[in-house]
Amino acid sequence: EDQVTQSPEALRLQEGESSSLNCSYTVSGLRGLFWYRQDPGKGPEFLFTLYSAGEEKEKERLKATLTKKESFLHITAPKPEDSATYLCAVHLFSGTYKYIFGTGTRLKVLA
Amino acid sequence: DTEVTQTPKHLVMGMTNKKSLKCEQHMGHRAMYWYKQKAKKPPELMFVYSYEKLSINESVPSRFSPECPNSSLLNLHLHALQPEDSALYLCASSQGLLGGLITGESRPQFAQYFGPGTRLTVL
Repeated sequence: EDQVTQSPEALRLQEGESSSLNCSYTVSGLRGLFWYRQDPGKGPEFLFTLYSAGEEKEKERLKATLTKKESFLHITAPKPEDSATYLCAVHLFSGTYKYIFGTGTRLKVLA
Repeated sequence: DTEVTQTPKHLVMGMTNKKSLKCEQHMGHRAMYWYKQKAKKPPELMFVYSYEKLSINESVPSRFSPECPNSSLLNLHLHALQPEDSALYLCASSQGLLGGLITGESRPQFAQYFGPGTRLTVL
């Protein structure tokens, strides 16, 4: 069975305290892994797409990396405005299409 | 324009009512999606339209009925809902849906762009 798991479930950081969020997956037919940010009561906002192991993408304080079994979202020197839920999702295709979200990491950055 | 719009923002309905949720995008995307999201849970895929045809129905009860009038619009018709159907309903779109090997310029096509959602309460 295809599974996507994120850890930790929740994370509290002080402003400037760098950390990493994990998205591990056990799937067949991976076509892409996506990271989204979601603020309360709003739709997810697309951040990154990763397609192959070793690939990295960066945007401001965020950097996403991908291995064959997991992806990391590194947050460098976070600010309070980075507080949100971060979701990873996998796009699968092995005869049929699947798009599966992980359970999310709720990040709180304290000033 | 990278925006997906959804109306209404909030909807309260009784179990015997009929209502519709609407979604619109003008990015030229050919795939559109409906998701249901409960509090503190990830979005759950309900339906996918590709080139205006229903491609995926994730075993959603028939009280939810999707419709894609054209490539820019997506509706979700609601009838005889239950209180447990109360949730945030999200619409999303992407350039494409299915593909073989992903190379070069075709890579970005699977990223989904979400609307703000409709907060549905069923009494």
